[in-house]
Amino acid sequence: QKEVEQNSGPLSVPEGAIASLNCTYSDRGSQSFFWYRQYSGKSPELIMSIYSNGDKEDGRFTAQLNKASQYVSLLIRDSQPSDSATYLCAVRRDKIIFGKGTRLHILP
Amino acid sequence: DAGVIQSPRHEVTEMGQEVTLRCKPISGHDYLFWYRQTMMRGLELLIYFNNNVPIDDSGMPEDRFSAKMPNASFSTLKIQPSEPRDSAVYFCASSLANEQFFGPGTRLTVL
Repeated sequence: QKEVEQNSGPLSVPEGAIASLNCTYSDRGSQSFFWYRQYSGKSPELIMSIYSNGDKEDGRFTAQLNKASQYVSLLIRDSQPSDSATYLCAVRRDKIIFGKGTRLHILP
Repeated sequence: DAGVIQSPRHEVTEMGQEVTLRCKPISGHDYLFWYRQTMMRGLELLIYFNNNVPIDDSGMPEDRFSAKMPNASFSTLKIQPSEPRDSAVYFCASSLANEQFFGPGTRLTVL
């Protein structure tokens, strides 16, 4: 079983709609959860972190964590073409483990 | 702040040659991470340091790979000898707390 799993995509979403990205993890002892955005040819950039069950909102982004289901999600409201990128889910217990990422394509 | 600095940005070398990648973390950050990214394997943690001390090198693929951090402002990742399967983008990242800041990466091509 992979430690952090994401659908590779591509996920195509119309501009202005909500993009929903999902991630599952295998280590129940994980304590910190992150979403990174990576544009093609660029380095990953942290956009959200979440540490407790529930929702965390930051602008157009909402991270959701359900530790019982070992599930993390990222919602992007009012999607823009500039949101087109690969989104990496990362989970940390002792060290951080990244998923392979989901490619998101916002359709103008 | 200049952010995490990596050099070179691109490296093309021939199989069997020694390759040295360099990283300058953000001043004040006490953690430094080396990652490798490929399409097949995604982003993999190779090794990380805390206060210049290697904490976990379990991700280092083989003895051909070595990393050092002689001081708080400099780290190297060395591959000797290099092989075509080492071709990847190598990222260095640093952090003070939970947020990691990544450098621009070094794209390594081993022919």
